[in-house]
Amino acid sequence: GEDVEQSLFLSVREGDSSVINCTYTDSSSTYLYWYKQEPGAGLQLLTYIFSNMDMKQDQRLTVLLNKKDKHLSLRIADTQTGDSAIYFCAESGGSYIPTFGRGTSLIVHP
Amino acid sequence: GAVVSQHPSWVICKSGTSVKIECRSLDFQATTMFWYRQFPKQSLMLMATSNEGSKATYEQGVEKDKFLINHASLTLSTLTVTSAHPEDSSFYICSATQQGGWTEAFFGQGTRLTVV
Repeated sequence: GEDVEQSLFLSVREGDSSVINCTYTDSSSTYLYWYKQEPGAGLQLLTYIFSNMDMKQDQRLTVLLNKKDKHLSLRIADTQTGDSAIYFCAESGGSYIPTFGRGTSLIVHP
Repeated sequence: GAVVSQHPSWVICKSGTSVKIECRSLDFQATTMFWYRQFPKQSLMLMATSNEGSKATYEQGVEKDKFLINHASLTLSTLTVTSAHPEDSSFYICSATQQGGWTEAFFGQGTRLTVV
């Protein structure tokens, strides 16, 4: 299987919370990241978490890390249409070069 | 955050020709630049890592003679796709880091290459 796995699609209603899940296999991961990619654009780093943390909150974004299960999630509160994009989970170890998942397409509908 | 600019944003070329993609760090010196390739609905695949003034390090399976990478200055790296074929059509993205440590890396907007 792939090193970083994500579901491919998530559809939510505007105003609801979105939760995007990710699992990874590398137990030596040091950093775990969430990136956002809008159509035809490069990647924007949304947030990251160190592997010794289990939660990080940044405004509407909450990252939860379950290191035992190698599970990472991104929660977006009060999801807006502008949040529609592809969200990539990534992890990196000592080399700092991350391995990316395939991305989750978040579709926000009225 | 810092800005990384890629040029062109999109390019169409004929099969057998070569095309050059530029990646510039506009307001910082990029000691390391990375080149990725992204297929539709796929993840980013790291192609190579380049450090200013030295040869690029290519990932396994990436043909160094086909994808020529030059990082001659601290603000510019180029990727040249030589003798392009339709299967080279893809979205190419660069990223640049100043001090190492991934949280300091910034991505370009990408270049859509179509080979006809």
